Amino acid sequence: AQTVTQSQPEMSVQEAETVTLSCTYDTSESDYYLFWYKQPPSRQMILVIRQEAYKQQNATENRFSVNFQKAAKSFSLKISDSQLGDAAMYFCAYNAGGTSYGKLTFGQGTILTVHP
Amino acid sequence: DGGITQSPKYLFRKEGQNVTLSCEQNLNHDAMYWYRQDPGQGLRLIYYSQIVNDFQKGDIAEGYSVSREKKESFPLTVTSAQKNPTAFYLCASSISTGHGYTFGSGTRLTVV
Repeated sequence: AQTVTQSQPEMSVQEAETVTLSCTYDTSESDYYLFWYKQPPSRQMILVIRQEAYKQQNATENRFSVNFQKAAKSFSLKISDSQLGDAAMYFCAYNAGGTSYGKLTFGQGTILTVHP
Repeated sequence: DGGITQSPKYLFRKEGQNVTLSCEQNLNHDAMYWYRQDPGQGLRLIYYSQIVNDFQKGDIAEGYSVSREKKESFPLTVTSAQKNPTAFYLCASSISTGHGYTFGSGTRLTVV
């Protein structure tokens, strides 16, 4: 079974600084998708960024970017110019693609605190 | 606006009762999912459905049941067989594999 590991239960960053959240995963598949979701105190899950495994180029969405290392099975999220609104729980998630029926496997989450 | 609606936002269950959590979407998504979230843990898959009148067990299906009679609706019943039902429940839908989910706002279930 696929597993997703987020080794940092909590992280903190100063406003306007950069922070990187780590994620590793275990899979024998070659075709898959990776995601980062944000869960603010409202508990509404919000898709932050998506990466397709067959694409070598790292995904970027405004201040959010990933470092996707397929051989190392690593998928870290970098938040640049951190803002107070970035404070949330962040989840890394994996989808096997193919006949996985779209099921996502989530990591345990990283709580990000942003200090003014 | 298209989205997923979960109701109620808060739900209290007495010991031995069955309760049903509602999940409705108007996104025309085929796939729908139920996850459970406990403190300090990630989301765990309870049930999922790829098409009307068909659904599959996830990783923690014991004590739960679902139905998928309409494309738009995927209600979750927490039965009395679920010994530790207090948790936050999230419903999601997806247009296809690889596109990620759209989530509802969740239901907080508490046993009293």
